[in-house]
This record gives sequence, C-alpha cells and structure tokens, in this order.
Amino acid sequence: QSALTQPASVSGSPGQSITISCTGTSSDVGTYNYVSWYQQHPGKAPKLMIYGVSNRPSGVSNRFSGSKSDNTASLTISGLQTEDEADYYCISYTSSTNWVFGGGTKLTVL
Amino acid sequence: EVQLVQSGAEVKKPGESLKISCKGSGYSFNSYWIGWVRQMPGKGLEWMGIIYPGDSDTRYSPSFQGQVTISADKSINTAYLQWNSLKASDTAMYYCARHLRAVPYDYWGQGTRVTVSS
Repeated sequence: QSALTQPASVSGSPGQSITISCTGTSSDVGTYNYVSWYQQHPGKAPKLMIYGVSNRPSGVSNRFSGSKSDNTASLTISGLQTEDEADYYCISYTSSTNWVFGGGTKLTVL
Repeated sequence: EVQLVQSGAEVKKPGESLKISCKGSGYSFNSYWIGWVRQMPGKGLEWMGIIYPGDSDTRYSPSFQGQVTISADKSINTAYLQWNSLKASDTAMYYCARHLRAVPYDYWGQGTRVTVSS
C-alpha cells in the first residue's frame, strides 16, 4: 500500500487561504469517509484537525475545513496565521491495509 | 483529562531487544484502540498497527508485520511496542495514539525516541 499523495510544500501569506490535497484510490479515500488531517509542529506530536472528511474536533479553529471529491480529499485553511506554519498529514482507512498516511505537506506562511 | 504517557528515550545496539510502553488514563482504556506510528528522522508519519486492549485484537501494516509486536495489558491500561532484534533503520520517534475508526488518533502520546547505533 503506497502512501497517499500530498504536495511536498505549499505556502501562503497571512490572511490568505490555502488548500492541501490528499490523493488516494478507490480502495481508500474514494470509498471511505474516514479521512483525517493532522497538524505537526517541529518537535511536537501530531494534532487532530479534521476527522471524517470534514468534522472539526472541539477546540480546533473553524478556519480549518475539509472536503472530499472522488479519490481526493482536501484541507483548506482560511485566514492564514503564522502559527499555522507546520507539517500537515492526511490519513485514510483502506480496505487493504487498515490505515495509510499521506506523505506530508510543509506549510510555509510567508 | 485524556492522557497517553509513553516511556522514555532509548539507546540500543543492533540486535538488542526493546519494549516501549504507552499508558492511557482519563478514559475507558478497554474501549478504544491504541495505534502506533513511526516517524523516522526528518520524514513523515507511518502507520504501524493498532490493538484493541479489550480483547487484544491486533492489526499490522504489511510494512511492519513480523518486524514488531504490538501488545497490551488492560489491567494496567498500557500498550506496548516490541522489537526482538533492533536494526539501525529502527531509529525513529514512535508515537502511540488513541483510536476509533470514526475519530482516528484523537489523542497522542508525547513520543518515544529510539536510537539504534553500534
């Protein structure tokens, strides 16, 4: 099972919106609504930001939103803030190997 | 408050064995899966496997099947990740996380750094 495909890096200016994609297959993202997104700052444990494609856990800013179309899930961050600069990972349930992460995306806030 | 507390950093030699732990508190430990995730230096997250402490049902990623053993002792709310013979390529940070399919990996441990070097 290959990792889900994410762009290696994205960037944006404070106040702008960015979108990170997470592309899988019909065996994972395309079939199951079990896609989550995690934020990881350097030296820290990952933090759940979105689950079930588009649900935000309590305490996560509503600037973070998720969606899915066919085999691609997306994380959108609106009103970018400097503290959003981090690595972001998607994960999906998969029929073959239970769960698979994306390769990760480094977000730079210019 | 939900907490997952992992055991401390380890420095081992190739060929040695190791068992690291993850102790849960603040929730019903037997009712949630515990997952293990590897992060090699400067790299991304890799899903290793999960265990349901209530009945020890365990699932492994094919990449880690046979390389590690995941176990749990529900009497002390603790999950484990074990190696019988470490390799230099096992050098990484290892995280445990609480898991339900509907809300995957919502709480994480602080990570255990494992260094394997001769």
